[in-house]
Amino acid sequence: AQSVTQPDIHITVSEGASLELRCNYSYGATPYLFWYVQSPGQGLQLLLKYFSGDTLVQGIKGFEAEFKRSQSSFNLRKPSVHWSDAAEYFCAVGASSSASKIIFGSGTRLSIRP
Amino acid sequence: NAGVTQTPKFRVLKTGQSMTLLCAQDMNHEYMYWYRQDPGMGLRLIHYSVGEGTTAKGEVPDGYNVSRLKKQNFLLGLESAAPSQTSVYFCASSRGQRTNYGYTFGSGTRLTVV
Repeated sequence: AQSVTQPDIHITVSEGASLELRCNYSYGATPYLFWYVQSPGQGLQLLLKYFSGDTLVQGIKGFEAEFKRSQSSFNLRKPSVHWSDAAEYFCAVGASSSASKIIFGSGTRLSIRP
Repeated sequence: NAGVTQTPKFRVLKTGQSMTLLCAQDMNHEYMYWYRQDPGMGLRLIHYSVGEGTTAKGEVPDGYNVSRLKKQNFLLGLESAAPSQTSVYFCASSRGQRTNYGYTFGSGTRLTVV
């Protein structure tokens, strides 16, 4: 069964600094990987997704993520964060089977220091 | 362009009371899902539906029932609410069984059981 781990519960970075949020997954085959963002009081919004091909994936709001099969990781990065990036970020993994169920990590809360 | 709409947004129940959460989507999506979100635990799948008239159990189905009588609606019922069901509930939908479609989420229902 697939699973996903986000080792950092809470991260604080200064505005303008670079960001990397960690995500490790467990899945026997090539996974479908996602990053979602949740602003306070809102639902989840898809930032980016990876299924195959180029291992560096570009998303919305200036985010990117890199799939590293050897490390079972799919870390999210942004070169320069803005105060509006403060939110909770969820990594998710889905199977390529027909069940179409996506498993979410426990989330990383991002705070921005002025 | 409403997407996924959840009603109500907030609700307080007494232990033992019943209620129904409504999820409506206007994107003609086949698949619909109910998740609960608890601090430090990410999102856990309660039930899901792969089409009108079908439902299936997810990771944490006990204490909940669902119905999908119309393609656009997915109802989540609590027959006898318990404090352990205090949570934020999210509905999501996706176009079809292929995992790479990703999910569209509603803005959530915050339920407190006292």
